Amino acid sequence: GAVVSQHPSWVICKSGTSVKIECRSLDFQATTMFWYRQFPKQSLMLMATSNEGSKATYEQGVEKDKFLINHASLTLSTLTVTSAHPEDSSFYICSALAGNTGELFFGEGSRLTVL
Amino acid sequence: GENVEQHPSTLSVQEGDSAVIKCTYSDSASNYFPWYKQELGKRPQLIIDIRSNVGEKKDQRIAVTLNKTAKHFSLHITETQPEDSAVYFCAASMRYGGSQGNLIFGKGTKLSVKP
Repeated sequence: GAVVSQHPSWVICKSGTSVKIECRSLDFQATTMFWYRQFPKQSLMLMATSNEGSKATYEQGVEKDKFLINHASLTLSTLTVTSAHPEDSSFYICSALAGNTGELFFGEGSRLTVL
Repeated sequence: GENVEQHPSTLSVQEGDSAVIKCTYSDSASNYFPWYKQELGKRPQLIIDIRSNVGEKKDQRIAVTLNKTAKHFSLHITETQPEDSAVYFCAASMRYGGSQGNLIFGKGTKLSVKP
């Protein structure tokens, strides 16, 4: 099946620094990508919807200036956590919608730990 | 917006028994209902999905039923095996043509299958 690659799979950073997470669709073009956040033992919470070439649509309560999303091409979306704080520590997962089939594929997830 | 409720939050069954997980949704416009299996620290994997024009779908030991009038859908796993142990998420969205709206997830059910 189609593959969505997320990088890095885990990252540890100091408080106040910024971290970029990449989400790539390896063998298909993704018209839309979604970013989720998952706390331990909890569900996936949609953060934002990213469409290629346009601004991301953020869910209520998600700070767009803190979680910068860029979808510059049909195969790449990035999430940048700016000025990270310990409460931003979480598991971030992306998913990509295959434009030709409408199927949704998830990345492996990125575990962020902010010290 | 859409709201998805999932029950139970935890489910423990004996190997060989059946397991049933139930979800309800609020937005009658939702027409696509996937189920995901997530093992600890890994990406969600689609195990089965159903569209609103179908009442039931089966794939080997897994089946999903949908009651559009009552706005609820259920996952049925028969002849459970220890490897079925994982967290299962239901979700709902609008899907039309090759496009798909936001997936709204239930809170998850932790299934434990005891040998």
